[in-house]
Amino acid sequence: KNEVEQSPQNLTAQEGEFITINCSYSVGISALHWLQQHPGGGIVSLFMLSSGKKKHGRLIATINIQEKHSSLHITASHPRDSAVYICAATEWDTDKLIFGTGTRLQVFP
Amino acid sequence: DAGVIQSPRHEVTEMGQEVTLRCKPISGHDYLFWYRQTMMRGLELLIYFNNNVPIDDSGMPEDRFSAKMPNASFSTLKIQPSEPRDSAVYFCASSVGGGNTEAFFGQGTRLTVV
Repeated sequence: KNEVEQSPQNLTAQEGEFITINCSYSVGISALHWLQQHPGGGIVSLFMLSSGKKKHGRLIATINIQEKHSSLHITASHPRDSAVYICAATEWDTDKLIFGTGTRLQVFP
Repeated sequence: DAGVIQSPRHEVTEMGQEVTLRCKPISGHDYLFWYRQTMMRGLELLIYFNNNVPIDDSGMPEDRFSAKMPNASFSTLKIQPSEPRDSAVYFCASSVGGGNTEAFFGQGTRLTVV
């Protein structure tokens, strides 16, 4: 069993739809990261959070520490949101990131 | 700052050859990470440095892999000898602190060993 699991693995949406990507983890963590990777490879950090909720533009990230679960929401999705979204958990005792396998999102016009 | 800079962007080499990947972290960042990304295993941490000192290299797959950070602005990841199974995208990332601070990734080096 992976220590960080994401769902779904693949997601397609029509432009304008509300999107949710989920991340569950089984290790003790000190932080949870959401990363975005576009075709062509570059990785960008979207959020880092340890509690509650963060918002940046149309993106919202939430975390529930008790349930060991985080979600990434995209409101009013757009084709340029098409990318792979990766959840990564910072292990509290090693300070290392453990990555989920990613969710491939495609948004069609 | 130009961000984390990696070179080369692409590398094609023959099996058995030595490969050196390079990384320049963001100035002022005390942590530097080397990751490998493959289709089968996703992103994996190979090694990380704090203030130029290797802290955890448990992710380095075998003795063929080595990494150095001679100063705060430069790191190398070397594979000698290279094998086809080393083909992957190698990312370098840096951060101000450890895993509790935002990580900034380079564009990656796509390595193909034939």
